[in-house]
Amino acid sequence: KQEVTQIPAALSVPEGENLVLNCSFTDSAIYNLQWFRQDPGKGLTSLLLIQSSQREQTSGRLNASLDKSSGRSTLYIAASQPGDSATYLCAVRPDSSYKLIFGSGTRLLVRP
Amino acid sequence: DAGVIQSPRHEVTEMGQEVTLRCKPISGHNSLFWYRQTMMRGLELLIYFNNNVPIDDSGMPEDRFSAKMPNASFSTLKIQPSEPRDSAVYFCASSHRSLQGRNINIQYFGAGTRLSVL
Repeated sequence: KQEVTQIPAALSVPEGENLVLNCSFTDSAIYNLQWFRQDPGKGLTSLLLIQSSQREQTSGRLNASLDKSSGRSTLYIAASQPGDSATYLCAVRPDSSYKLIFGSGTRLLVRP
Repeated sequence: DAGVIQSPRHEVTEMGQEVTLRCKPISGHNSLFWYRQTMMRGLELLIYFNNNVPIDDSGMPEDRFSAKMPNASFSTLKIQPSEPRDSAVYFCASSHRSLQGRNINIQYFGAGTRLSVL
């Protein structure tokens, strides 16, 4: 059974710092992996999607990497801003499945 | 596009009452998902529809929960009777699955319905 774990559960950093969020999954047979952002009281917004054949994806100040063999993904946020404060969730799509298996998220606070 | 639209945004009801949550997916999307989010269990998939047909309802917790998708632009999730442990945020998401069967898979989420059962 696929399980997704995110560490740390919460993170507080000063503005301008570069930071890394971690996601690990137990079964390397995945179709893709997605990172989402969730703001309080709102839905999820897809940030980056990495196909199983890819190693990384970049969007602006965000860079996500994928190492299938070790069951790990990282989300790198450069030059963090207070507006980046949110909960970040990673989700794995197992092979041949439409389902997304979500981690419990990392709650990020960027202090001005 | 207005995105996935859910209503109501908040629902407070008493135990035993029927609750109906509504979702309008993004136009042109043919896959629809209902999720439940709680502090204890995180985000869980309840049911998945493809082309208005329920494909997998294994996540529906009990017979008190039912979901329908009468057409491509509307879905409901009903809880009857509701219980305090059903209190959660319920999300609807939609995506587009290609005709070749390869799921493009970026799911677009609605803002959710926060349900409180007293």
